[in-house]
Amino acid sequence: RKEVEQDPGPFNVPEGATVAFNCTYSNSASQSFFWYRQDCRKEPKLLMSVYSSGNEDGRFTAQLNRASQYISLLIRDSKLSDSATYLCVVGGLYNFNKFYFGSGTKLNVKP
Amino acid sequence: GAGVSQSPRYKVAKRGQDVALRCDPISGHVSLFWYQQALGQGPEFLTYFQNEAQLDKSGLPSDRFFAERPEGSVSTLKIQRTQQEDSAVYLCASSLIGAGTYNEQFFGPGTRLTVL
Repeated sequence: RKEVEQDPGPFNVPEGATVAFNCTYSNSASQSFFWYRQDCRKEPKLLMSVYSSGNEDGRFTAQLNRASQYISLLIRDSKLSDSATYLCVVGGLYNFNKFYFGSGTKLNVKP
Repeated sequence: GAGVSQSPRYKVAKRGQDVALRCDPISGHVSLFWYQQALGQGPEFLTYFQNEAQLDKSGLPSDRFFAERPEGSVSTLKIQRTQQEDSAVYLCASSLIGAGTYNEQFFGPGTRLTVL
């Protein structure tokens, strides 16, 4: 079983739509959670960290449910520029910041 | 400011050839990570350095893979006797602080290795 599981998509949505991605993780001892964005043939870049209380950054909202070992990302008012692969990342066990990546969820925002 | 750089960006190797991939982390970053990313997959952890010390190499797929960071800055990932299954993008990432904190990892552009 993989450490982090995501729906690969693709999610095809029109501009302005709201879209949500989920991921689950297997290690209950995980300490840190992130969403990274990866454009085609580019390196991953941090989109946002995910905190237990949930957090919002503009059109993006991330939630963490430790009891269900579940992380979500909500994108409101989708833009064409949001088209990318979104990687769920879990890490930060007690010794160092070793990251486990999901396979990514592909988002296509259409005009 | 300068980010993480990697060279070469593309490498084509014949099966059995040795290759060396270089990573220049962000200046002052203590932690350095190597990942392997196969097509359609997320990055998979290979190894981790804190300064010059290699603290975890549990992700290296075989003893053909070797990494070093002798002076605590530039790192090299070496693959000996390359095989077709080694074809992937090799990503290097660095972060400011090491153990016990959850710093953002900054990724380089990767080296795309193709083994024929």
